[in-house]
Amino acid sequence: AQKVTQAQTEISVVEKEDVTLDCVYETRDTTYYLFWYKQPPSGELVFLIRRNSFDEQNEISGRYSWNFQKSTSSFNFTITASQVVDSAVYFCALSPLDAGNMLTFGGGTRLMVKP
Amino acid sequence: GAGVSQSPRYKVAKRGQDVALRCDPISGHVSLFWYQQALGQGPEFLTYFQNEAQLDKSGLPSDRFFAERPEGSVSTLKIQRTQQEDSAVYLCASSKTHKGTGLDNEQFFGPGTRLTVL
Repeated sequence: AQKVTQAQTEISVVEKEDVTLDCVYETRDTTYYLFWYKQPPSGELVFLIRRNSFDEQNEISGRYSWNFQKSTSSFNFTITASQVVDSAVYFCALSPLDAGNMLTFGGGTRLMVKP
Repeated sequence: GAGVSQSPRYKVAKRGQDVALRCDPISGHVSLFWYQQALGQGPEFLTYFQNEAQLDKSGLPSDRFFAERPEGSVSTLKIQRTQQEDSAVYLCASSKTHKGTGLDNEQFFGPGTRLTVL
């Protein structure tokens, strides 16, 4: 069975602060993918990043960075210098490398960035 | 339109009514997924198609839920005798393929259908 836990249900920050969203996962698969999605108020899920389990290199994309640590089964997401437009619900997700790649999502973290 | 589309965007049903939710995947995409997202929660997997074959329906919550994709393109999720607990957003996603380590199996999501059962 697969499980994704996002312990922070809601985070509120002031614009320009840095914020880290936590994600911890459980899986019996030895190879798997990890994802982050953003869900703005419009409701559509927007893909942010995918990492596979054999690539633990951290990644930076503009103000976004991701820290994957297999030893602690964590895949945390940091937004640097947050902006009001970053306000959304963020989901971490897990999928096997094959067998249809269906996603198991965490419960989501609602991020509110105040001006 | 290059994205996944879903219709209707909003549906209100009286308890006991049957509903049908439609998903138009990206043209040529082999895999199609349905997810259910209850208010304040993450999406949960319902079922998966590879072309017209329904390969996994383990997430369907009851036998009132039925999905089909007869020609391997458009898919319909049908809920019979709707109950209040069926109220949720139903998300459809498609991917170019179903395996491999490339980006071809990235899932693209539609805007969802918000179902409210009164």
